[in-house]
Amino acid sequence: KAGVTQTPRYLIKTRGQQVTLSCSPISGHRSVSWYQQTPGQGLQFLFEYFSETQRNKGNFPGRFSGRQFSNSRSEMNVSTLELGDSALYLCASRIGDRGTEAFFGQGTRLTVV
Amino acid sequence: AQSVSQHNHHVILSEAASLELGCNYSYGGTVNLFWYVQYPGQHLQLLLKYFSGDPLVKGIKGFEAEFIKSKFSFNLRKPSVQWSDTAEYFCARGGATNKLIFGTGTLLAVQP
Repeated sequence: KAGVTQTPRYLIKTRGQQVTLSCSPISGHRSVSWYQQTPGQGLQFLFEYFSETQRNKGNFPGRFSGRQFSNSRSEMNVSTLELGDSALYLCASRIGDRGTEAFFGQGTRLTVV
Repeated sequence: AQSVSQHNHHVILSEAASLELGCNYSYGGTVNLFWYVQYPGQHLQLLLKYFSGDPLVKGIKGFEAEFIKSKFSFNLRKPSVQWSDTAEYFCARGGATNKLIFGTGTLLAVQP
């Protein structure tokens, strides 16, 4: 079956702009989580959505937001981009139950210049 | 706060050598443990997971890990590595929520 699909794969934005990243989970998966991966901070949890509701949130500023649609697809938005937002953004989907296995997409590489 | 520590940041081995990567997790609450691997240019893939039961967990590609509750450890092992095992390895902890806390990762380079 198809895996987790993230679009776009690569993105270059200018400081101050905003960006929207998209994630399509595995069919039947209702939980979508987002992570930021950087060389300095490693993999950090941004937030999780389940059935269109944010269920958990990490320690990121309010410029980072997300949403989930009724078909479980999720989008992540970052407003007023900063150089430090340059990172690989990963999406993970789960079938839904807490503690189950997470499947990751290939990520969106965001570069802020 | 919950945390995961991986003590080996870079490991270089020759093919056929044995591998053990350390992982320690913080105490408290429900603990689910995972090892993920990230091959160059590829997405994170699950190697193995521990939720409960037998503390010796077998994963894919000949990897295994042992959950030792008294030491808060979940070390990854492989008796004989191959060049194709060159990758970055992440230990992660889950719990009562779906939030995963990752270690900083270990870069493994296997020399042919």
